[in-house]
Amino acid sequence: IAGITQAPTSQILAAGRRMTLRCTQDMRHNAMYWYRQDLGLGLRLIHYSNTAGTTGKGEVPDGYSVSRANTDDFPLTLASAVPSQTSVYFCASSEYDNQPQHFGDGTRLSIL
Amino acid sequence: GQNIDQPTEMTATEGAIVQINCTYQTSGFNGLFWYQQHAGEAPTFLSYNVLDGLEEKGRFSSFLSRSKGYSYLLLKELQMKDSASYLCAEMDSNYQLIWGAGTKLIIKP
Repeated sequence: IAGITQAPTSQILAAGRRMTLRCTQDMRHNAMYWYRQDLGLGLRLIHYSNTAGTTGKGEVPDGYSVSRANTDDFPLTLASAVPSQTSVYFCASSEYDNQPQHFGDGTRLSIL
Repeated sequence: GQNIDQPTEMTATEGAIVQINCTYQTSGFNGLFWYQQHAGEAPTFLSYNVLDGLEEKGRFSSFLSRSKGYSYLLLKELQMKDSASYLCAEMDSNYQLIWGAGTKLIIKP
């Protein structure tokens, strides 16, 4: 089934640990995004990539890094997790940056 | 600055019509999106307006007035499965989405 796959579905992590959230899409979309969603707030953009080989910073990039080595994969890394990074993380993709975005099922991350 | 405002919560009756409003303030504008998000699930795309007027898609319609910085999502013939959060998002001059906090819609029998 075509779409976006995120892994893991959920994770509990000790503060200070390194963690990579995986995101893969098979729609050959050019643009990919990482958001976090916190209660009472709108989705906030962490990082984005308009095409393979390029990345950009969103609204809340601190503490996170991304890479886009190919069209399909867009992993998000927390170098040293802190409790304020406890959130639901959504990966999304769109054919081009001005098109509707399609979302993965999300990763629930708890940092203790 | 950029600010998306929409009501936090609304209640409506099954079979009725509900209108969810959204206002935005931005120096650049490239379209207004509406998404539906059921609890514990991912947002799913509903509609996209870039020109003024009404876009109809089945039971759902979306309206845009660029001069007023205003949009609404109209849901007709409400069904229990329409209970969800509805997210308004404005695409800014950098083609990034600025999201509202969402409107939780509660449908009562």
